[in-house]
Amino acid sequence: SSELTQDPAVSVALGQTVRITCQGDSLRSYYASWYQQKPGQAPVLVIYGKNNRPSGIPDRFSGSSSGNTASLTITGAQAEDEADYYCNSRDSSGNRYVVFGGGTKLTVL
Amino acid sequence: QVQLQQWGAGLLKPSETLSLTCAVYGGSFSGYYWSWIRQPPGKGLEWIGEINHSGSTNYNPSLKSRVTISVDTSKNQFSLKLSSVTAADTAVYYCARGRVAATPDYYYYYMDVWGKGTTVTVSS
Repeated sequence: SSELTQDPAVSVALGQTVRITCQGDSLRSYYASWYQQKPGQAPVLVIYGKNNRPSGIPDRFSGSSSGNTASLTITGAQAEDEADYYCNSRDSSGNRYVVFGGGTKLTVL
Repeated sequence: QVQLQQWGAGLLKPSETLSLTCAVYGGSFSGYYWSWIRQPPGKGLEWIGEINHSGSTNYNPSLKSRVTISVDTSKNQFSLKLSSVTAADTAVYYCARGRVAATPDYYYYYMDVWGKGTTVTVSS
C-alpha cells in the first residue's frame, strides 16, 4: 500500500500542545516529512528525518515515529501555526513513488 | 540559497496539453529528485512525478499514461507535460526539490525547496 492517512481536522487551544498523526505501511521504512501550508501559499517543510527542523522553523515543532505511525507535535501552539499540515514519504514497496497524506487542518482556538 | 522559478500556460481547453517548466537557481542540479506536485482547489497535495539529473523518471501510476517529465541540465530546468487535460486537472501545480537520505534503520525523503505554484485552469 502507498497510502498515508491523516485526521482531517484537529484543534488546539492557544499555548497548548497538539499532536498530528500520519499512518501508513511506508512509515515502517521511512521517516515521514511534514509540511505546513497556509492559504494561498506553497507548502513549507517543517520536519524531516528522525526529528530535524530546517533553518527558521521554531523549536516548538518536533517529530516522532513508532511502527507505522508518525507524529508532528507542536508544543505551545501559536496563532500563526493555524494551517494545513501534510505528511509525506516514499513508497517502501519498490521506492518508486512519493506519497502524501490527505492533510490535517489545524485550528488554534 | 536555492530557488525554483516556474512558469507555463494558465488556461487550457479540454484535450490540450499542459506544459510547465521549473528553473533551478543557486544550487546544484545533480543529487536530487525534481518533482511536480499539484493541488486541486480545496483539496490536498498529489504527487505527479519526478526526474533526476540523469533523466531517470518515476510517475504517479494514476497519471502515468498522460505524464512526461523531462530535464535540460544545460539550463538547470525540468519540465512537465500532461496530455489530454480535463476539468479534473484544474489545480495549482508546484515544482519541488526532493532528497533521499538514510540512517542505519530508516530511510527518509523530503522536499525542502518549492516553487511558488502555477494555477492551471482547464475550461472550454
